Amino acid sequence: SQTIHQWPATLVQPVGSPLSLECTVEGTSNPNLYWYRQAAGRGLQLLFYSVGIGQISSEVPQNLSASRPQDRQFILSSKKLLLSDSGFYLCAWTPTSGYEQYFGPGTRLTVT
Amino acid sequence: QQPVQSPQAVILREGEDAVINCSSSKALYSVHWYRQKHGEAPVFLMILLKGGEQKGHEKISASFNEKKQQSSLYLTASQLSYSGTYFCGTEPPEAGNQFYFGTGTSLTVIP
Repeated sequence: SQTIHQWPATLVQPVGSPLSLECTVEGTSNPNLYWYRQAAGRGLQLLFYSVGIGQISSEVPQNLSASRPQDRQFILSSKKLLLSDSGFYLCAWTPTSGYEQYFGPGTRLTVT
Repeated sequence: QQPVQSPQAVILREGEDAVINCSSSKALYSVHWYRQKHGEAPVFLMILLKGGEQKGHEKISASFNEKKQQSSLYLTASQLSYSGTYFCGTEPPEAGNQFYFGTGTSLTVIP
């Protein structure tokens, strides 16, 4: 069976510090991978998606970046965090287009 | 590109019914429905791939009107466990593998 991992679960970082969130998927190959951000009490904002190694599409211009160094690994990064980067970050995968998305447990990021 | 859901919030008593609507300004390839409990990740409920398709999961069902570019989620005889925020999700055909979630509907079931 497939599982998706995200870490860390919670993170408190000062403004201007770097960020690295990792997501890995087990039990499948060549998944589509997604990063979402959810502000408190708000909806899910698509940040990045990837259909393969090294292939990243960005939805929103911002100070975040994503990388996919391996087939089942998706990393979200920032060189300098802003207060507005606070939120609940969710990684999701889908076997291919048109199929349901499976979400990881999420990382709750607070930028102080 | 984000679908719009209505209502934004609804409060029900146990046993009552509710309908949540999801409308898109773009043609839809598929419609997904998810439920998110407070502080948790969204959980998949069902997917509708064809226009006119209807699906059900326990007492929760959904319909998809491709021509009207909208979908509705029906919750029958609501239970306390139905509380949460419901999101529709769509994949516009021209958007490739992009996926957009709706604005969300907060559902609270009270005893």
